[in-house]
Formats: sequence, C-alpha cells, structure tokens
Amino acid sequence: GQQVMQIPQYQHVQEGEDFTTYCNSSTTLSNIQWYKQRPGGHPVFLIQLVKSGEVKKQKRLTFQFGEAKKNSSLHITATQTTDVGTYFCAGRDAGNMLTFGGGTRLMVKP
Amino acid sequence: NAGVTQTPKFRILKIGQSMTLQCTQDMNHNYMYWYRQDPGMGLKLIYYSVGAGITDKGEVPNGYNVSRSTTEDFPLRLELAAPSQTSVYFCASTIGREQPQHFGDGTRLSIL
Repeated sequence: GQQVMQIPQYQHVQEGEDFTTYCNSSTTLSNIQWYKQRPGGHPVFLIQLVKSGEVKKQKRLTFQFGEAKKNSSLHITATQTTDVGTYFCAGRDAGNMLTFGGGTRLMVKP
Repeated sequence: NAGVTQTPKFRILKIGQSMTLQCTQDMNHNYMYWYRQDPGMGLKLIYYSVGAGITDKGEVPNGYNVSRSTTEDFPLRLELAAPSQTSVYFCASTIGREQPQHFGDGTRLSIL
C-alpha cells in the first residue's frame, strides 16, 4: 500500500530560526494536504496542493509540491513560539485514499 | 456550530471490556472517518463512511466495528478491549472526499 514518510521526526529550533519538514510518498499523489496539531490538540487543516510544482504561501509558511508529485515540503521562516506543534502531511493516491505521514514535531526555544 | 463532537474525552477500560466511542457532526458532511493516533505517531485510518448506511475498512480495522445509521453520527465500537488498543481516537468529517477534514477533539483511551 501507499506509504508517506516525513523527516525529520523531531526538530528543536531557537526562536527566529527557520524550519523545514519534508514529506515523501512511495506513489504518485493526486494531491497533498498539510495539517498542524498543537500539543494535546487535534489536527487542523492548513493547506492543500494539487498541481505539479505548486508553491503556496501563508504568511511565514511556504508549501511546495514536487514536480513528480511524490514529495512536498513545508518551510517556516523565522519561527515563533506559536509555531510549536506537530506538522503532518497527508497524501492522496489514485485510489483516493488519504494517508498521513508520521509527522514532524517542532519545538521552539524562546 | 459545534463541528465534530466526540465523547467521552477520556476513558479507562479493563481488558476484555467493550465500549462505544461516539462521534457526531452538525455540518451535514457525507464523509466521516475514524483514526487512531499512537504516542508520537501519525494517524492510522480505522474505518470510514461515504454516507448513511455505507461503511468501509481502513488500514487498521481489526478489533473495531462501526455503523452509520444517520448522516450526523458515526460511532466506533470496541468489542473486546486489548492493551494494543490504547491510543487517542479521532473522528473527522468532510463535505467531499478531496476536501479538508475537520477533526474532533479526540478520545484518549487507556486499556489496562
């Protein structure tokens, strides 16, 4: 079945530093979604990417979908303590099943 | 709007007991999902439903059952609780298969 891998598993950064998490799928995706889960909370939808090579920005967050539609990344510029949480990608395959990656837990030191 | 509501928020079960995790949504979404999240891990799909009366297995369905008699409700049943089922369970819904999923606050279940 489809596998979605995320790296790194954990990342500690100093407030103000940048952060990137990478998502790789074993199969070509029709689209990819990103979610954020605050500690003790539930996943909250951030964005969906559909087109090959697509780049979308939300303030300090930049999302990218690879040309081959098998990988994606989330980059946060100048992290803040409010960015703390776990970031999940979720890839949808041709069979329309959504598979979540294992997540990257971001910790920010003030 | 309440969105997706899950009850209970916490529960401790003994091995072999049974229980039902409740999930209801007030957004008139056709698609509903049950996931489990083990500590430090991602979400694994247990069961899903594309509408009232229709359910299907996800990646990890063993030990669980679901029903979908109404659009609003999608309960998850554990018949014979096992320690391996200790996890956080999330219910989610979406208006269309490729649309964003809306999650409930989760049920934290411990089986001892």
